[in-house]
Amino acid sequence: AQSVAQPEDQVNVAEGNPLTVKCTYSVSGNPYLFWYVQYPNRGLQFLLKYITGDNLVKGSYGFEAEFNKSQTSFHLKKPSALVSDSALYFCAVRDSGGNNRKLIWGLGTSLAVNP
Amino acid sequence: DTAVSQTPKYLVTQMGNDKSIKCEQNLGHDTMYWYKQDSKKFLKIMFSYNNKELIINETVPNRFSPKSPDKAHLNLHINSLELGDSAVYFCASSRKLGLGAAGELFFGEGSRLTVL
Repeated sequence: AQSVAQPEDQVNVAEGNPLTVKCTYSVSGNPYLFWYVQYPNRGLQFLLKYITGDNLVKGSYGFEAEFNKSQTSFHLKKPSALVSDSALYFCAVRDSGGNNRKLIWGLGTSLAVNP
Repeated sequence: DTAVSQTPKYLVTQMGNDKSIKCEQNLGHDTMYWYKQDSKKFLKIMFSYNNKELIINETVPNRFSPKSPDKAHLNLHINSLELGDSAVYFCASSRKLGLGAAGELFFGEGSRLTVL
């Protein structure tokens, strides 16, 4: 069965420090992977995606993510966190085969960046 | 010139009432979605339309009925509202998925429904 796991409900990091938000996935075919961010009382915003090619993907607001096929992971990273990065982050995966019209969503990770 | 707009933003109503939420996108996208986000922030897809055709219909009570008059609009009507329907409902749109082309979703700001 296809699934996405975000093993941490909450991540706390000090401003200026690097941050990592973890995501692992399970799909039957090649994965299409996505990260979204949700600021309080707002809709989700697309951050970045991995389809094929370079394992390191760069996205909006200085975020990047590394696709690791052997570990079936797609962790979101940023070299230097800002207080304004505090938000809820969702990882999602779409199977390249099967029902490729639906995204499978993680449960979200709340990121708190402390000044 | 909001890309995906939903109305109303807030909706407070009594159990048993019927209510509708409207969504419009001006991105020229073919595919639109309704998502429900509960109090624990869990995101669940409800419906998806591609160019007015229903393509995703998850296990949702039949009190929920989507309607897409054209590919830029997707409305959600809810009959006989229950307490458990209280949530934030998000509309989203994307370019057509499938054919090997992955799409990015553009979300509206959400409609917070409170059923008393």
